[in-house]
Amino acid sequence: KQEVTQIPAALSVPEGENLVLNCSFTDSAIYNLQWFRQDPGKGLTSLLLIQSSQREQTSGRLNASLDKSSGRSTLYIAASQPGDSATYLCAVKNAGNMLTFGGGTRLMVKP
Amino acid sequence: DTEVTQTPKHLVMGMTNKKSLKCEQHMGHRAMYWYKQKAKKPPELMFVYSYEKLSINESVPSRFSPECPNSSLLNLHLHALQPEDSALYLCASSPGTGGTGARQFFGPGTRLTVL
Repeated sequence: KQEVTQIPAALSVPEGENLVLNCSFTDSAIYNLQWFRQDPGKGLTSLLLIQSSQREQTSGRLNASLDKSSGRSTLYIAASQPGDSATYLCAVKNAGNMLTFGGGTRLMVKP
Repeated sequence: DTEVTQTPKHLVMGMTNKKSLKCEQHMGHRAMYWYKQKAKKPPELMFVYSYEKLSINESVPSRFSPECPNSSLLNLHLHALQPEDSALYLCASSPGTGGTGARQFFGPGTRLTVL
């Protein structure tokens, strides 16, 4: 059974810092990995999707990498802003089209 | 139109009530999903519909009854719920269920409170 872990569970940084969020998964037979952002009480916004054959994806200040063989992904956020404060979730897609989510990292960026 | 909509945004119901949650997408997606999310926990998959047919039921209690009237619409009928069923209910859709690139798009959710 796929298990997804995110470290750290919570992170507080001053504005302007570059930061890295980590995601690890136990079964490397994945189809893709998605990073989502969730604001309190809201739905999920898809940030980046990395196919199993890809190593990284970039969107603006966000860069996500995938090392499928070691079961790891990182989300890099450059020049963090208070508006980046949210919970970040990673999810892996296995056979059967099921997404397995990590527990999330709650990010607070202080002005 | 690139969004998934859900109604209502908030719902409060008693344990004897019958209510329904509605989800709609107009992206031509053929797969739709219901997830349940408790506070400070990740979403948990409940049901998957593929081409309007139920393909996955993650051992969800029968007091939750999904329905897919057409390819754009997904309902979740609720009856005799328990207070522990209070949660954020998220709907999602994707182009299909197979392949590697089936990105799932999520709606804003319905916040359900069972009294």
